[in-house]
Amino acid sequence: AQKVTQAQTEISVVEKEDVTLDCVYETRDTTYYLFWYKQPPSGELVFLIRRNSFDEQNEISGRYSWNFQKSTSSFNFTITASQVVDSAVYFCALSDTGRRALTFGSGTRLQVQP
Amino acid sequence: SQTIHQWPATLVQPVGSPLSLECTVEGTSNPNLYWYRQAAGRGLQLLFYSVGIGQISSEVPQNLSASRPQDRQFILSSKKLLLSDSGFYLCAWTDHRPDTEAFFGQGTRLTVV
Repeated sequence: AQKVTQAQTEISVVEKEDVTLDCVYETRDTTYYLFWYKQPPSGELVFLIRRNSFDEQNEISGRYSWNFQKSTSSFNFTITASQVVDSAVYFCALSDTGRRALTFGSGTRLQVQP
Repeated sequence: SQTIHQWPATLVQPVGSPLSLECTVEGTSNPNLYWYRQAAGRGLQLLFYSVGIGQISSEVPQNLSASRPQDRQFILSSKKLLLSDSGFYLCAWTDHRPDTEAFFGQGTRLTVV
C-alpha cells in the first residue's frame, strides 16, 4: 500500500523567509509520480509541481523548488522569499500508474506573517 | 481548455436524508474521474474512481455510492446520510497519460445535522 507522510503539521514564517515543506513516501511501485498541491482557504486544490520517479533532477520554477531523493523516499518543496499569499495548506501526493488515484499526506498548514 | 464543475458548493442536510453531488468535466473526453473526501483538519481520502461510463471502483466501504451516467458526469449519492458523512468532497479528473496531474473541482462542503 502507498503512504505519504508530512510530519510538519503547521509552519509559521515571516514574509520573505524561505520555507521547506517535508514529504516522505512509501510505495512498492517502481514507476510512480509525486505532486505538490496547494489548498487556499477557499478549499480548491491547486496543482503546483510534479515529479516522475525516474527523473531525480531537481528544478526551480519561480519561487518554487523541489528536492526529490529516491534513496530517502523524500520529495521536499521549498518556497523562496515567502509571501502572505502563500498562506495555505500544502499537500504532498503520490500517484500510481494503474488507478492514477492520489494518495495524499495529511497536509502542512503554512502561515506567512507580514 | 478543460474545466471541471462541481455543485453545490455548500450543503446542510439532516441525518437520514438522501444526497446527490454532481461533477461535470468540459473540454476533454473519456477522462478518469474521482471523488475524494476531506474530513475536518485531515488529508484527502479517495472514495471512488471511474475509468469509463458505468465503471465505478469503490475504495472505502461506506454509506456512499457513485455513478457515471455520461462520459463526463460523475455523481456521488447516498440514500441515508450519517453524521460521519460530513466533510469536504472534491471531484477530480485526469487524462489517461500516466504523468499528468489531477485537476480538482471547487469542492462541496457537506454538513450533516
